[in-house]
Amino acid sequence: GQQVMQIPQYQHVQEGEDFTTYCNSSTTLSNIQWYKQRPGGHPVFLIQLVKSGEVKKQKRLTFQFGEAKKNSSLHITATQTTDVGTYFCAGPGGGGSNYKLTFGKGTLLTVNP
Amino acid sequence: DGGITQSPKYLFRKEGQNVTLSCEQNLNHDAMYWYRQDPGQGLRLIYYSQIVNDFQKGDIAEGYSVSREKKESFPLTVTSAQKNPTAFYLCASSDGEGYEQYFGPGTRLTVT
Repeated sequence: GQQVMQIPQYQHVQEGEDFTTYCNSSTTLSNIQWYKQRPGGHPVFLIQLVKSGEVKKQKRLTFQFGEAKKNSSLHITATQTTDVGTYFCAGPGGGGSNYKLTFGKGTLLTVNP
Repeated sequence: DGGITQSPKYLFRKEGQNVTLSCEQNLNHDAMYWYRQDPGQGLRLIYYSQIVNDFQKGDIAEGYSVSREKKESFPLTVTSAQKNPTAFYLCASSDGEGYEQYFGPGTRLTVT
């Protein structure tokens, strides 16, 4: 079945350093979605990428979708303590249904002030 | 306010008891989902429903049951057959196929 892998599992940075998490799917995706879950909270949708090679920015966050639509990355410039949380990527189409999202295991980001 | 509500936030049960977790949405979404999250793990899909009166098993449906009698509601029952029920349960909804999902605040279930 479809698998979505994320690396690294954990990342600890000093405030002001950059951070990148990578996502790889075993199958080609129609889109890739990114979510953030704060400690003790629930996942919150950040963005969806649809086109091959697409790059989108949200303030200090830059999201990329690979040319083959099988990989993606999230880069945070100059991290802040508010960036702490787990970042998940997810792709539709697992089990033959685009209603299903297959989530990666996430990257837990901690930021030392 | 539009959104998804789950209740209760914390739930404690004794082993051998069935327990039902509530999920209600007022986003007018057709699709609803139940996920299970264990510490340090991603989200694993239990059941999902594309439309009222219809639902499909996800990746870890054994020991769980659902119903979808109303568009707004998608309750999950954790039965005594579920071997490791202690977990964080998240309900979500989406506006359709491949769309982003909106999550409720979750219910932390502890079974002892």
